[in-house]
Order: sequence, then C-alpha cells, then structure tokens
Amino acid sequence: NAGVTQTPKFRVLKTGQSMTLLCAQDMNHEYMYWYRQDPGMGLRLIHYSVGEGTTAKGEVPDGYNVSRLKKQNFLLGLESAAPSQTSVYFCASSGELNTEAFFGQGTRLTVV
Amino acid sequence: GENVEQHPSTLSVQEGDSAVIKCTYSDSASNYFPWYKQELGKGPQLIIDIRSNVGEKKDQRIAVTLNKTAKHFSLHITETQPEDSAVYFCAPLNSGGYQKVTFGTGTKLQVIP
Repeated sequence: NAGVTQTPKFRVLKTGQSMTLLCAQDMNHEYMYWYRQDPGMGLRLIHYSVGEGTTAKGEVPDGYNVSRLKKQNFLLGLESAAPSQTSVYFCASSGELNTEAFFGQGTRLTVV
Repeated sequence: GENVEQHPSTLSVQEGDSAVIKCTYSDSASNYFPWYKQELGKGPQLIIDIRSNVGEKKDQRIAVTLNKTAKHFSLHITETQPEDSAVYFCAPLNSGGYQKVTFGTGTKLQVIP
C-alpha cells in the first residue's frame, strides 16, 4: 500500500525560481493538508483541502498556492521561492471525521 | 483557531523509566485527541488516540488520558526503550463543520540506555 506519496524528496532552488510539490494519496481520503516543519517550530499548517476542488488557508499561507483538481492529488506551489521557505514540507491526508492523519515522507527544500 | 501547547519540549529518561507528555488545548469543542510519533527523517505516525467519550486508553506500553474539563490530555510511556526516542506531537481536533488539524509544538524524547 502506497498511502501518501510526496515528490520530489529533495530539491534545491535558487531565489526567485518556482516549483510545485506533488502529494498523492490512494486511500480515497477527503481531507488533505500541507505542513512545513522548521527546527524547533513543530508542524505549521500552510493550506488544506476538505474535498476535491476546495482549498483553504492555514496558519502560514503567504508565498504558497495550492490546487486540488483531483481528489487524490494536492499540489503545493511556490511562485517565487525565498530563502525563508527553506524547510521540510509534509503532506497528509485523512478520511472520515475524527480519524488519524497519514503523512508522506516529506520533501526537503533548500532555497539559496 | 485551536491553541495547542505541549510540555515539556524536551525530555530525557533512563531506559526502563516512564515518560509523560502533556498537551493543553483551547477549543472546548475538540472531540478527537491523537498522539503522533515522528522518527528522524520520517513523517509523523499515529501511535494512540482517544475520543471525547473516553477518559483513558491503553495500548501495551503507551496510554493516553483525557481531562476535558481542564482541556488537556497526556501521553504516558512506561518501561521506555531506546526505540521510543523520537519527537511526539499532539493534535487535538474539533471535527465540527470542517477538519483542520493543528499540531502541538512537539516534545523531543530521549531514552538513555
């Protein structure tokens, strides 16, 4: 079982470049999330989605955009990368209400 | 939104001792209380959860206790082992209306052999 798959696993960007992180889940989950994790900061919610075609802002949405065109995929975009976006990004999904969140393995992004 | 705090932020215990991590939250409508374990280089993974109609739940060496009146819940690990060393997160959830998971700041547990 694949669960939640993130691509790529590592990436180095130059300041001002753009990129898209892909999250795919094969569990038919309604809810999907993007988090960033910085040292000593825990997991902070960037954007989330409660179903296909819907997105909403989390705690730290500035500088990011998302799309959920298909139920199984949740894309996170950086239009103009900044060094402050250097972080580890995690995608997660959950199914019915009051159930656990399943996480991908993370994407380590460095912006130089 | 939910305000979540964890204490302590770091915890070192001798192998075989017990460890307790506490999570306090602000939203009285929260009704799902999970604990996640994150090992180095991996995503968090659920280890135990409890729902608002239960006060305590055990699964072998781990347990979670809930005090809804005081708005906190705790993770208890007994007979700690080196493989318990990880970062632990709580993520109380209010599922009414929408589902947005907010994580606590994390507790780094080190079990010393």
